[in-house]
Amino acid sequence: DTAVSQTPKYLVTQMGNDKSIKCEQNLGHDTMYWYKQDSKKFLKIMFSYNNKELIINETVPNRFSPKSPDKAHLNLHINSLELGDSAVYFCASSQSNNSPLHFGNGTRLTVT
Amino acid sequence: SQKIEQNSEALNIQEGKTATLTCNYTNYSPAYLQWYRQDPGRGPVFLLLIRENEKEKRKERLKVTFDTTLKQSLFHITASQPADSATYLCARNGGDSSYKLIFGSGTRLLVRP
Repeated sequence: DTAVSQTPKYLVTQMGNDKSIKCEQNLGHDTMYWYKQDSKKFLKIMFSYNNKELIINETVPNRFSPKSPDKAHLNLHINSLELGDSAVYFCASSQSNNSPLHFGNGTRLTVT
Repeated sequence: SQKIEQNSEALNIQEGKTATLTCNYTNYSPAYLQWYRQDPGRGPVFLLLIRENEKEKRKERLKVTFDTTLKQSLFHITASQPADSATYLCARNGGDSSYKLIFGSGTRLLVRP
């Protein structure tokens, strides 16, 4: 059983398109996150939701919009994709603050 | 702003030796530091968490230290094996939110058989 699963694993699309990445966790955690890992391997937090409520919103363009329909799901929608959006996006969850993160295996987004 | 710095150069060691990876942080001491392992094409996997008031933490062949004077954490793998080859990430809690983890760029470890 995969604890944190995200789909798709690979996403290749053209500039200007709108795309979504889905994430689900079956750990019963209250908090979910989206992180972005760039080509230099830095993992940077983008958003965090706790019990479906947005608690962290880093300096991310408005084109990125997270949606949490319930505690177990946190989806990421990206409008008007740009070349610079190409990266690996990781979903994660944690039991509470200060707890270790459980990551999915990432979605590699390539914008051409 | 808080930063985490890890040696970007890969660490190349012989099987059976102890690997030591360094993590340095800036500004005030974090309440805790976490270490993760990341394999190519996979998400990071949590290994150890050490709190500010703990000097050392161990788990099987892994050991982590936390030195608030040096603003540094060391991550040791004893009796290293080729299967330990991966990228190891250090992370600290962010000051403005206890939910935020700030990651270093990781150090790649290669254990030669």
